[in-house]
Amino acid sequence: EIVLTQSPGTLSLSPGERATLSCRASQSVSGSYLAWYQQKPGQAPRLLIYGAFTRATGIPDRFSGSGSGTDFTLTISRLEPEDFVVYYCQQYSNSLPYTFGQGTKLDIK
Amino acid sequence: QVQLVQSGAEVKSPGASVKVSCKASGYIFTSYVISWARQAPGQGLEWMGWISVYNGNTNYAQKLQGRVTMTTDTSTSTAYMELRSLRSDDTAVYYCARYPPPWLVGGPDPWGQGTLVTVSS
Repeated sequence: EIVLTQSPGTLSLSPGERATLSCRASQSVSGSYLAWYQQKPGQAPRLLIYGAFTRATGIPDRFSGSGSGTDFTLTISRLEPEDFVVYYCQQYSNSLPYTFGQGTKLDIK
Repeated sequence: QVQLVQSGAEVKSPGASVKVSCKASGYIFTSYVISWARQAPGQGLEWMGWISVYNGNTNYAQKLQGRVTMTTDTSTSTAYMELRSLRSDDTAVYYCARYPPPWLVGGPDPWGQGTLVTVSS
């Protein structure tokens, strides 16, 4: 099983700043199978990025994904007030258990 | 539009079973994978398993092996997740989501709205 470790656990920033969230895998993940989600309280996760860097339909271009192998990054270029929620990464390589990171909470400073 | 609609909230006693449904619409149900995840109150997402609707293959999380079964009914485009021998720590919101097979482009989307399962005596 591939273990995903997200850092930091909590990130405190101000609106308008840039956020950089990390997702590190215990073994190499095919970039085709790395996703990022946003989850607001009381809602289902919302797909932001798949294939490590492809934005899902309707996702603003201030969200971008990068990385390969064992290190992946979600960047939010200019934080809006509605961005201060929780973010998860997930690998979903075919035939393997799909695993989630433990999440990063984005807090308003 | 493509959507997954899950069944309503359930309250179960310890030791009982629960079966949650996930009805798909707006796409060819048999072309994709359905995966299930759960989220205990205040906790992160936990992957439970997946079922390939196109060939019936399943893959379950090791910690749930023997207690969980995922099935599909292609005549109604519905996926099911049954969890047996319920314990209090199974209390969670359960989600289904559509995943693409290797030969299709796309990401894990959409997700169902979630089903709260409460296990309490």
